[in-house]
Amino acid sequence: QVQLQESGPGLVKSSETLSLTCTVSGGSITYNYWSWIRQPPGRGLEWIGHIYDSESTNYNPSLKSRVTISRDTSKNQFSLRLRSVTAADTAVYYCARDPGDGGLDHWGQGTLVTVSA
Amino acid sequence: QSVLTQPPSVSAAPGQKVTISCSGGSSNIGNNYISWYQQLPGTAPTLLIYEDNKRPSGIPDRFSGSKSGTSATLGITGLQTGDEADYYCVTWDSSLTAVIFGGGTKLTVL
Repeated sequence: QVQLQESGPGLVKSSETLSLTCTVSGGSITYNYWSWIRQPPGRGLEWIGHIYDSESTNYNPSLKSRVTISRDTSKNQFSLRLRSVTAADTAVYYCARDPGDGGLDHWGQGTLVTVSA
Repeated sequence: QSVLTQPPSVSAAPGQKVTISCSGGSSNIGNNYISWYQQLPGTAPTLLIYEDNKRPSGIPDRFSGSKSGTSATLGITGLQTGDEADYYCVTWDSSLTAVIFGGGTKLTVL
């Protein structure tokens, strides 16, 4: 059974860089698509981006200039970096797997990141 | 404002049927698979439907998906109080080269 677990600081200062890691167990990140999704408090879900194949990536156009998703196959982890954060980036951040059929079939439990002034 | 349009809320009585619509365009729903997710309060979303109308193992057949043109529908029959949740449609947008989420629909079981 594939399991995902997000980790990283729960508090980031405004204008700094948010960094999160998703550790995957029960399956290799070499295959499939691996996404980051976020949800601001009381609001809907927003796709941030994904990584797949030989480190190919796609990003949400509204975040593309500030986002980098990378992976470490030796640790079976993939990571998110979001630069120049503001209060609007405060959200629960989820990592998830898409086996290629468009369905995000496994999700992490989510981690709340708060951006402080 | 999401590219995919869902009604903000729907409601129905226990035991009844409800449908949730998701409207998009030719660059997304019209030419790509859609998936649906249930998000119970305080929890991560769960995949309900993928490839328009397929259910992952463990998802009861009370949940169904359909698509016609640039719109898709999630159907839930035999409503239970435990179905109260937010529901999201998701698909790929070929023009944006991005995954897009609908704004979400809150289901209330009266």
